Amino acid sequence: QKEVEQNSGPLSVPEGAIASLNCTYSDRGSQSFFWYRQYSGKSPELIMSIYSNGDKEDGRFTAQLNKASQYVSLLIRDSQPSDSATYLCAVNTGFQKLVFGTGTRLL
Amino acid sequence: NAGVTQTPKFRILKIGQSMTLQCTQDMNHNYMYWYRQDPGMGLKLIYYSVGAGITDKGEVPNGYNVSRSTTEDFPLRLELAAPSQTSVYFCASSYGASADYGYTFGSGTRLTVV
Repeated sequence: QKEVEQNSGPLSVPEGAIASLNCTYSDRGSQSFFWYRQYSGKSPELIMSIYSNGDKEDGRFTAQLNKASQYVSLLIRDSQPSDSATYLCAVNTGFQKLVFGTGTRLL
Repeated sequence: NAGVTQTPKFRILKIGQSMTLQCTQDMNHNYMYWYRQDPGMGLKLIYYSVGAGITDKGEVPNGYNVSRSTTEDFPLRLELAAPSQTSVYFCASSYGASADYGYTFGSGTRLTVV
């Protein structure tokens, strides 16, 4: 069973601070990784994807991938009240079949 | 563009009843998926399709069936509804299998089985 683990939170971050969200995965062969944001009662929406080791930046968001440690993270700079949501980490297991973590709730 | 459209948004079923959750996308995406999301849990893959006429089981397929006769439509059939099928169901689509293509999700169907 391929697993994706996230701390469920909630994670409280002061406005303007950096939020750091973490995710680990069990399948060492996984190649691509995704972060989704889900507001309460809404469907998930894609924030960004990453598939190479290192950092990938998109506006206030930075995804970090370390395949050796099987670790993915998402940094949110200059946190805003509108960032309050649940953040889902997802791992591609082939044919874009994503295995999702249970999510981290950000306050 | 409408994106991914799911109907109905809400439904209450009695135990043993059947229903079909509809999903339509207008983005010409080949890949389509059905997930369920239970409170405090991650999304679990029920079925997926990589193109018209091709479907396969995901992690939790029992109690469900799908068909994919067109690129646009991917309905999910619940037979003999059980309380364990109470959940929020999301349909999603993706352009392809490349790492850069995430999912576009529908707005979800909240199903309660009583």
